[in-house]
Amino acid sequence: DAGITQSPRHKVTETGTPVTLRCHQTENHRYMYWYRQDPGHGLRLIHYSYGVKDTDKGEVSDGYSVSRSKTEDFLLTLESATSSQTSVYFCAISEGLPNTGELFFGEGSRLTVL
Amino acid sequence: QQQVKQSPQSLIVQKGGISIINCAYENTAFDYFPWYQQFPGKGPALLIAIRPDVSEKKEGRFTISFNKSAKQFSLHIMDSQPGDSATYFCAASGSAGTASKLTFGTGTRLQVTL
Repeated sequence: DAGITQSPRHKVTETGTPVTLRCHQTENHRYMYWYRQDPGHGLRLIHYSYGVKDTDKGEVSDGYSVSRSKTEDFLLTLESATSSQTSVYFCAISEGLPNTGELFFGEGSRLTVL
Repeated sequence: QQQVKQSPQSLIVQKGGISIINCAYENTAFDYFPWYQQFPGKGPALLIAIRPDVSEKKEGRFTISFNKSAKQFSLHIMDSQPGDSATYFCAASGSAGTASKLTFGTGTRLQVTL
């Protein structure tokens, strides 16, 4: 298995509170991604990073921010959680070889916003 | 906007039967088409992938068929086994840039019965 660790794995929080999910990799891969998985929607890209301090938005980035201060860590922050952000969040990494499409996923973080 | 449409949503197949999952895409810039397999409580993992320069790719019991003119591709699982019971996602990406920004289908939950 790719060396990807997500924390926390489970979290319950209340509407309006800030939440930070952490993704840590030991593979030294350049690219890191945050996806959310919801029934009927598959996996949707929130944000991704192509290097330290280099990030860009995905298709569902509203309400989320990210930071990458080190190669190995990619943080996803919900500044003020809403019930619509209840989901399973997956971090993924890739080597960034042109158009290989191969992502290695973590085991997910289940977030419930009450 | 669903750029990759996947069907069926769920599928029940008897052991030894053939499982077929279909996907259609809209964006003609897509040129890499992987399939991911996800077991409960785990992150998705790459199963098999194809590029549009070939019409079929086979790896063991898993085959991708690709129809570029129809913008469709499908996954065939021959001799389906109970261990194949999982959720399958098709995906697509384009070659612009080097980030593997996959667009996923909505997933198919496969159950293989004895």
